[in-house]
Amino acid sequence: TQLLEQSPQFLSIQEGENLTVYCNSSSVFSSLQWYRQEPGEGPVLLVTVVTGGEVKKLKRLTFQFGDARKDSSLHITAAQPGDTGLYLCAGPTGANSKLTFGKGITLSVRP
Amino acid sequence: EAQVTQNPRYLITVTGKKLTVTCSQNMNHEYMSWYRQDPGLGLRQIYYSMNVEVTDKGDVPEGYKVSRKEKRNFPLILESPSPNQTSLYFCASTRGGGGRRGYTFGSGTRLTVV
Repeated sequence: TQLLEQSPQFLSIQEGENLTVYCNSSSVFSSLQWYRQEPGEGPVLLVTVVTGGEVKKLKRLTFQFGDARKDSSLHITAAQPGDTGLYLCAGPTGANSKLTFGKGITLSVRP
Repeated sequence: EAQVTQNPRYLITVTGKKLTVTCSQNMNHEYMSWYRQDPGLGLRQIYYSMNVEVTDKGDVPEGYKVSRKEKRNFPLILESPSPNQTSLYFCASTRGGGGRRGYTFGSGTRLTVV
Protein backbone atom coordinates (compact mmCIF):
# COMPACT_ATOMS: atom_id res chain seq x y z
CA THR A 1 0.00 0.00 0.00
CA GLN A 2 1.33 3.40 -0.98
CA LEU A 3 0.95 5.74 1.97
CA LEU A 4 1.43 9.48 2.12
CA GLU A 5 2.57 10.97 5.42
CA GLN A 6 2.03 14.71 5.89
CA SER A 7 3.79 16.88 8.44
CA PRO A 8 3.32 18.74 10.58
CA GLN A 9 -0.25 17.73 11.37
CA PHE A 10 -1.15 21.17 12.75
CA LEU A 11 0.48 24.56 12.24
CA SER A 12 -0.53 27.93 13.69
CA ILE A 13 1.43 30.96 12.58
CA GLN A 14 1.21 34.75 12.50
CA GLU A 15 0.30 36.63 9.33
CA GLY A 16 3.42 37.47 7.33
CA GLU A 17 5.46 34.43 8.38
CA ASN A 18 6.87 31.88 5.95
CA LEU A 19 6.25 28.15 6.31
CA THR A 20 7.05 24.83 4.69
CA VAL A 21 5.02 21.63 5.00
CA TYR A 22 5.80 18.16 3.75
CA CYS A 23 4.31 15.11 2.08
CA ASN A 24 6.45 11.98 2.27
CA SER A 25 6.22 8.39 1.12
CA SER A 26 8.43 5.34 0.93
CA SER A 27 6.95 4.63 -2.51
CA VAL A 28 7.56 6.28 -5.85
CA PHE A 29 4.62 8.20 -7.30
CA SER A 30 4.14 9.09 -10.95
CA SER A 31 2.74 12.43 -9.81
CA LEU A 32 1.52 14.18 -6.69
CA GLN A 33 -1.28 16.67 -6.22
CA TRP A 34 -1.94 19.29 -3.56
CA TYR A 35 -5.43 20.35 -2.54
CA ARG A 36 -6.75 22.96 -0.11
CA GLN A 37 -9.96 22.35 1.78
CA GLU A 38 -11.82 25.07 3.64
CA PRO A 39 -14.32 24.27 6.41
CA GLY A 40 -17.62 23.07 5.04
CA GLU A 41 -16.33 22.66 1.49
CA GLY A 42 -14.74 20.02 -0.69
CA PRO A 43 -11.02 19.95 -1.50
CA VAL A 44 -9.91 22.17 -4.36
CA LEU A 45 -6.95 21.24 -6.55
CA LEU A 46 -3.99 23.63 -6.26
CA VAL A 47 -1.33 21.93 -8.36
CA THR A 48 -0.09 18.67 -9.88
CA VAL A 49 3.64 17.94 -10.00
CA VAL A 50 4.80 15.28 -12.41
CA THR A 51 8.55 15.42 -12.98
CA GLY A 52 11.15 14.65 -10.29
CA GLY A 53 12.67 17.92 -9.08
CA GLU A 54 9.86 19.98 -10.57
CA VAL A 55 9.02 23.30 -8.95
CA LYS A 56 5.69 25.03 -9.53
CA LYS A 57 4.59 28.42 -8.21
CA LEU A 58 1.08 29.62 -7.55
CA LYS A 59 1.36 33.23 -6.34
CA ARG A 60 2.90 32.93 -2.83
CA LEU A 61 2.78 29.12 -2.85
CA THR A 62 5.76 27.11 -4.12
CA PHE A 63 5.43 23.36 -4.66
CA GLN A 64 8.35 21.01 -5.19
CA PHE A 65 8.41 17.36 -6.19
CA GLY A 66 11.36 15.39 -4.84
CA ASP A 67 14.02 14.17 -7.25
CA ALA A 68 13.12 10.55 -6.47
CA ARG A 69 9.38 11.29 -6.73
CA LYS A 70 8.75 10.02 -3.20
CA ASP A 71 8.04 13.35 -1.54
CA SER A 72 6.81 16.87 -2.05
CA SER A 73 6.89 20.15 -0.18
CA LEU A 74 4.73 23.24 -0.08
CA HIS A 75 6.27 26.56 0.88
CA ILE A 76 4.10 29.59 1.61
CA THR A 77 5.70 33.02 1.62
CA ALA A 78 4.21 35.78 3.76
CA ALA A 79 1.20 33.76 4.87
CA GLN A 80 -2.18 35.48 5.02
CA PRO A 81 -5.36 34.59 6.93
CA GLY A 82 -6.89 33.53 3.62
CA ASP A 83 -4.34 30.69 3.48
CA THR A 84 -6.03 29.05 6.47
CA GLY A 85 -7.33 25.60 5.68
CA LEU A 86 -6.57 21.90 5.41
CA TYR A 87 -3.80 21.09 2.91
CA LEU A 88 -3.96 17.62 1.41
CA CYS A 89 -1.47 15.83 -0.78
CA ALA A 90 -2.61 12.96 -2.97
CA GLY A 91 -1.07 10.51 -5.38
CA PRO A 92 -2.38 8.02 -7.93
CA THR A 93 -2.36 4.40 -6.83
CA GLY A 94 -3.41 1.57 -9.08
CA ALA A 95 -4.52 1.79 -12.68
CA ASN A 96 -8.02 3.16 -12.20
CA SER A 97 -7.49 6.89 -11.59
CA LYS A 98 -7.72 6.25 -7.86
CA LEU A 99 -6.15 8.92 -5.67
CA THR A 100 -4.81 8.09 -2.23
CA PHE A 101 -4.75 11.05 0.14
CA GLY A 102 -2.55 11.96 3.05
CA LYS A 103 -4.34 12.88 6.29
CA GLY A 104 -3.67 16.56 5.73
CA ILE A 105 -2.09 19.56 7.43
CA THR A 106 -4.33 22.00 9.27
CA LEU A 107 -2.94 25.51 8.83
CA SER A 108 -4.17 28.48 10.82
CA VAL A 109 -2.86 31.95 10.01
CA ARG A 110 -3.61 34.50 12.71
CA PRO A 111 -4.14 38.17 11.71
CA GLU B 1 -19.82 26.51 -14.39
CA ALA B 2 -18.02 23.16 -14.17
CA GLN B 3 -19.06 21.49 -10.97
CA VAL B 4 -19.99 18.43 -8.98
CA THR B 5 -23.30 18.79 -7.19
CA GLN B 6 -24.19 16.72 -4.14
CA ASN B 7 -27.47 16.62 -2.32
CA PRO B 8 -28.37 16.94 0.43
CA ARG B 9 -25.66 19.01 2.19
CA TYR B 10 -26.83 17.89 5.62
CA LEU B 11 -28.81 14.81 6.64
CA ILE B 12 -29.80 13.38 9.99
CA THR B 13 -31.41 9.96 9.87
CA VAL B 14 -32.18 6.98 12.08
CA THR B 15 -30.50 3.60 12.08
CA GLY B 16 -31.84 1.31 9.38
CA LYS B 17 -33.69 3.87 7.28
CA LYS B 18 -32.52 3.61 3.67
CA LEU B 19 -31.13 6.77 2.14
CA THR B 20 -29.57 7.99 -1.08
CA VAL B 21 -27.06 10.79 -1.54
CA THR B 22 -27.10 12.11 -5.08
CA CYS B 23 -24.09 13.26 -7.09
CA SER B 24 -24.11 14.87 -10.51
CA GLN B 25 -21.31 16.34 -12.64
CA ASN B 26 -21.57 18.54 -15.74
CA MET B 27 -18.05 18.02 -17.14
CA ASN B 28 -18.61 14.77 -19.06
CA HIS B 29 -16.05 13.06 -16.82
CA GLU B 30 -15.65 9.30 -17.14
CA TYR B 31 -14.37 8.64 -13.63
CA MET B 32 -16.39 9.29 -10.49
CA SER B 33 -15.71 8.34 -6.91
CA TRP B 34 -17.13 8.56 -3.41
CA TYR B 35 -14.99 9.32 -0.37
CA ARG B 36 -15.73 9.64 3.31
CA GLN B 37 -13.73 11.95 5.54
CA ASP B 38 -13.32 11.23 9.23
CA PRO B 39 -11.15 12.95 11.86
CA GLY B 40 -7.79 11.25 12.16
CA LEU B 41 -8.47 8.96 9.21
CA GLY B 42 -8.51 11.42 6.31
CA LEU B 43 -10.25 10.79 3.00
CA ARG B 44 -10.98 7.15 2.23
CA GLN B 45 -12.43 5.87 -1.01
CA ILE B 46 -15.76 4.02 -0.77
CA TYR B 47 -16.61 3.17 -4.38
CA TYR B 48 -15.58 4.34 -7.80
CA SER B 49 -16.82 4.14 -11.36
CA MET B 50 -14.67 4.22 -14.47
CA ASN B 51 -17.64 4.74 -16.79
CA VAL B 52 -21.32 3.96 -17.26
CA GLU B 53 -22.26 0.58 -15.77
CA VAL B 54 -18.68 0.05 -14.50
CA THR B 55 -18.31 0.30 -10.73
CA ASP B 56 -15.93 -1.22 -8.20
CA LYS B 57 -15.15 -1.21 -4.50
CA GLY B 58 -12.72 1.19 -2.94
CA ASP B 59 -11.08 0.82 0.45
CA VAL B 60 -14.17 0.99 2.69
CA PRO B 61 -17.20 -0.30 0.70
CA GLU B 62 -19.04 -2.19 3.46
CA GLY B 63 -22.57 -0.90 4.00
CA TYR B 64 -22.69 1.12 0.77
CA LYS B 65 -23.97 0.63 -2.76
CA VAL B 66 -23.59 2.71 -5.90
CA SER B 67 -24.92 2.75 -9.44
CA ARG B 68 -23.84 4.44 -12.66
CA LYS B 69 -26.70 4.32 -15.14
CA GLU B 70 -25.83 7.66 -16.72
CA LYS B 71 -22.46 9.29 -17.16
CA ARG B 72 -23.32 12.39 -15.15
CA ASN B 73 -24.88 10.72 -12.08
CA PHE B 74 -23.33 8.54 -9.39
CA PRO B 75 -25.63 8.11 -6.37
CA LEU B 76 -24.46 6.62 -3.07
CA ILE B 77 -26.97 4.34 -1.38
CA LEU B 78 -27.00 3.30 2.26
CA GLU B 79 -29.48 0.42 2.48
CA SER B 80 -29.45 0.20 6.29
CA PRO B 81 -27.43 3.04 7.78
CA SER B 82 -25.66 2.54 11.09
CA PRO B 83 -24.08 5.07 13.47
CA ASN B 84 -20.57 4.17 12.28
CA GLN B 85 -21.52 5.63 8.90
CA THR B 86 -21.83 9.07 10.44
CA SER B 87 -19.30 11.02 8.41
CA LEU B 88 -18.63 13.73 5.84
CA TYR B 89 -19.07 12.36 2.33
CA PHE B 90 -17.59 13.71 -0.87
CA CYS B 91 -18.28 12.86 -4.49
CA ALA B 92 -15.50 13.58 -6.97
CA SER B 93 -14.97 13.28 -10.69
CA THR B 94 -12.12 13.42 -13.19
CA ARG B 95 -11.62 12.84 -16.88
CA GLY B 96 -9.35 9.94 -16.10
CA GLY B 97 -5.75 9.39 -17.04
CA GLY B 98 -4.37 7.19 -14.33
CA GLY B 99 -4.96 9.66 -11.53
CA ARG B 100 -2.72 12.40 -12.91
CA ARG B 101 -5.59 14.73 -13.60
CA GLY B 102 -7.06 16.62 -10.72
CA TYR B 103 -10.32 15.67 -9.10
CA THR B 104 -13.25 18.06 -8.91
CA PHE B 105 -15.04 17.58 -5.60
CA GLY B 106 -18.56 18.33 -4.54
CA SER B 107 -19.24 20.47 -1.48
CA GLY B 108 -19.89 17.47 0.73
CA THR B 109 -22.77 15.81 2.56
CA ARG B 110 -22.62 15.70 6.33
CA LEU B 111 -24.50 12.60 7.44
CA THR B 112 -25.49 11.81 11.01
CA VAL B 113 -27.02 8.44 11.82
CA VAL B 114 -28.66 8.20 15.26
